[in-house]
Amino acid sequence: AQTVTQSQPEMSVQEAETVTLSCTYDTSESDYYLFWYKQPPSRQMILVIRQEAYKQQNATENRFSVNFQKAAKSFSLKISDSQLGDAAMYFCAYRSAGDDKIIFGKGTRLHILP
Amino acid sequence: EADIYQTPRYLVIGTGKKITLECSQTMGHDKMYWYQQDPGMELHLIHYSYGVNSTEKGDLSSESTVSRIRTEHFPLTLESARPSHTSQYLCASRGWGAFTEAFFGQGTRLTVV
Repeated sequence: AQTVTQSQPEMSVQEAETVTLSCTYDTSESDYYLFWYKQPPSRQMILVIRQEAYKQQNATENRFSVNFQKAAKSFSLKISDSQLGDAAMYFCAYRSAGDDKIIFGKGTRLHILP
Repeated sequence: EADIYQTPRYLVIGTGKKITLECSQTMGHDKMYWYQQDPGMELHLIHYSYGVNSTEKGDLSSESTVSRIRTEHFPLTLESARPSHTSQYLCASRGWGAFTEAFFGQGTRLTVV
């Protein structure tokens, strides 16, 4: 069975600084998709960024970028120029190309220090 | 703004009651999901559906049931609520296509007393 591991339950970063959230996953599949979702306090979960396993180029969305290491089964999220609005729970998620199940990690709570 | 709605937002109910948590989406998505989010915020998949009249159990053993009679509607039913069911329940939907993202509702916070 596939698993997703986020080893950092909580992290803090100074406003305007850069922070990296870690995610590793375990799968025997070669075709899959990886996602980072953000859940702000008392608000809906939203997508931050996504990556196809067959694409070697790391995805980037404005201040958010990933470091995808397929051989190491690692998918970290880098947030540059951290802003107060980035404070949230961040979830790493995995979905096999041949399945509809979306598997989430336990999440990392990110605090932004003013 | 994602058009997926969950009702009620908050519910306090007595042990043994039957309850149905509603989830509706107006995006025409064929995939829908129910997750239970525990106090530590971890998400557990309890049910999912890949279309009308198709439902599957997730990884978390659950005493709940679901139905998918219409594309837009995916209700979750607890036949007999227990204190162990106290949790936040998140509904999500995803459109057709391999790389599509999931859209989430705002959640239902259920307390069973």
